[in-house]
Order: sequence, then structure tokens, then C-alpha cells
Amino acid sequence: SAVISQKPSRDICQRGTSLTIQCQVDSQVTMMFWYRQQPGQSLTLIATANQGSEATYESGFVIDKFPISRPNLTFSTLTVSNMSPEDSSIYLCSVERSGNIFYGYTFGSGTRLTVV
Amino acid sequence: QKEVEQNSGPLSVPEGAIASLNCTYSDRGSQSFFWYRQYSGKSPELIMFIYSNGDKEDGRFTAQLNKASQYVSLLIRDSQPSDSATYLCAVNREGGTSYGKLTFGQGTILTVHP
Repeated sequence: SAVISQKPSRDICQRGTSLTIQCQVDSQVTMMFWYRQQPGQSLTLIATANQGSEATYESGFVIDKFPISRPNLTFSTLTVSNMSPEDSSIYLCSVERSGNIFYGYTFGSGTRLTVV
Repeated sequence: QKEVEQNSGPLSVPEGAIASLNCTYSDRGSQSFFWYRQYSGKSPELIMFIYSNGDKEDGRFTAQLNKASQYVSLLIRDSQPSDSATYLCAVNREGGTSYGKLTFGQGTILTVHP
């Protein structure tokens, strides 16, 4: 099963700046998913990151605001650009857990972002 | 209408009782259904998932799926105070560009009191 490490675990940032969140998986995975969880809310999918291709974004999310990199099969980054207080959320990466059978989707420990 | 709906609760049950958590979904193309548990300040942990109509049991947890009614539930038997958390229902349409994309409900807060 995949173990996911996310960095940083939390950060407090000034509005107008950018933060890059890293997601490292201990095994190769085809797809990685980035979610946002706003305070008191559930999870919303931001984008899907496939190695070797552009990330695909869900409605309401754009590449200029949330650029994503996927340089290899074990690593991805999500950047939150030109931050505003509305970007204060927990950001989570997720991967499929599978080997010979499907085990579901697991999440990293998350990055708690506060924009001031 | 939200795509995935859950009663936000809080649902309060006594220790040892059965907790019943419910979820409805609007997309009839949904193929797989997931239950996650999220403790305060932590990331979601997968409890179990189900594809087929009927029941699926894993320890104290049973997931029930009724695709005709677009309804999925999670039963927790012998509830423990450590089960107190937010339970998130998620569905996946699967296939093509939908593969792996989960749509989550708002979550139900469960409190198990001694």
C-alpha cells in the first residue's frame, strides 16, 4: 500500500504570495489527485495529475491559480498562487492504493494553509 | 441538489450501540462508493468501499448499497468512543476521465458517548 508524505504540514502565508506543496509517494502511481478542504467543509477535487501530461482541472479551478507539476511517478507539487484569505484550507493529495487488487484511495496527511 | 448528500448530524449514540450513517447520491452513473473517517485535524482514512448492491462487511463495519434508490449506508456495530469522528461518503463515476475522481458529501459528525 502507498505511503504518502506531504510537506509542509502547515504554513501561514501573506496574501499575494505563493506556496508550493509537495507530495511524495513511496511507490509509483499513475495518477495523483489534489483536493481542497475549506474550513468546516468537505473535500473538493482540484485537479488530477498524470506523469508526462498536463494536469486536468475541475470546474472552478484554473492552472494559473493552482499550477501542478508531476515530474515522475512518485512526486507531485501543487502551488497556490497569489494567495488570498479565501485560499485558507487544508490541501490534500491522494493516490490509488493498488497492487494486484484495488484497495481504494488514500490521502496524505494534508497541508493546513492559513493566509493572512 | 447536491451530488452527494449526508445528514451533517451530529449523530449521538451510546457506547456499544449500532451507529447508522446514510448517504444519497444523484449521479446514476456512480459505480463505486467509499466511506472515510476523519478525526479532527487529521486527513481522511478509508474505512471501506463497495461496488455491488447489497452488504459488505469488514469487522465492525458494514456498508450497504442500493443503486436503485441511490443510497449507501455505513453501519458501525458495538460503537466505541474512539469511533467519534466525521464520516465522509464519497462516490466515483469511474471510467474514462472520471477515473479516481471522488465526489464527497459534507460528512456526518458521529459522537459515541460512554
